Amino acid sequence: DTAVSQTPKYLVTQMGNDKSIKCEQNLGHDTMYWYKQDSKKFLKIMFSYNNKELIINETVPNRFSPKSPDKAHLNLHINSLELGDSAVYFCASSQHIWLTGRENTEAFFGQGTRLTVV
Amino acid sequence: GQQLNQSPQSMFIQEGEDVSMNCTSSSIFNTWLWYKQEPGEGPVLLIALYKAGELTSNGRLTAQFGITRKDSFLNISASIPSDVGIYFCADPWGGGKLIFGQGTELSVKP
Repeated sequence: DTAVSQTPKYLVTQMGNDKSIKCEQNLGHDTMYWYKQDSKKFLKIMFSYNNKELIINETVPNRFSPKSPDKAHLNLHINSLELGDSAVYFCASSQHIWLTGRENTEAFFGQGTRLTVV
Repeated sequence: GQQLNQSPQSMFIQEGEDVSMNCTSSSIFNTWLWYKQEPGEGPVLLIALYKAGELTSNGRLTAQFGITRKDSFLNISASIPSDVGIYFCADPWGGGKLIFGQGTELSVKP
């Protein structure tokens, strides 16, 4: 009963191809994210959607286009893949509620999609 | 922007040893989060800290929110092989965007 699930887990593709990674969460959260983890394990946010609306876009090349058909899904489409896009991509979700004056921001992560561009 | 400096970058320890790692920031934080990432998995939240000076435990893990609000540490007591992974500090910097430290990679030798 996976809370945040993303597919595929592994993706090997050639330069120039277009690919998509899907993400679904069954936690009822209102906010979803895409993070990129590079070869040095550094985790960096790419996008954030709240109730299907884009709220964060961290200067990601426009070859990357997130799409949120509903608040339980946030898919990532990548056009014209480049070698430098090889990384692990993580989807995450959270529910933003205020608890006694502070923001509850626990984010739940999917297992990751290891993208290898050859 | 926000920067988190985490140290050490990696640790190789013997089973049973205690571990300590820390995180410092260039600015004052209202929240410190500690995540663990096991091989092939996504990060999982271990401990959340919301108040300067707060000391919170989760089993053998203990984390503290520094008094200056610019640092935090995570201790693991009596390490076991399943403690292996990468430990990240993180700050939810507005709107839920998490800023992560560089991570501390922990290896435990049985």
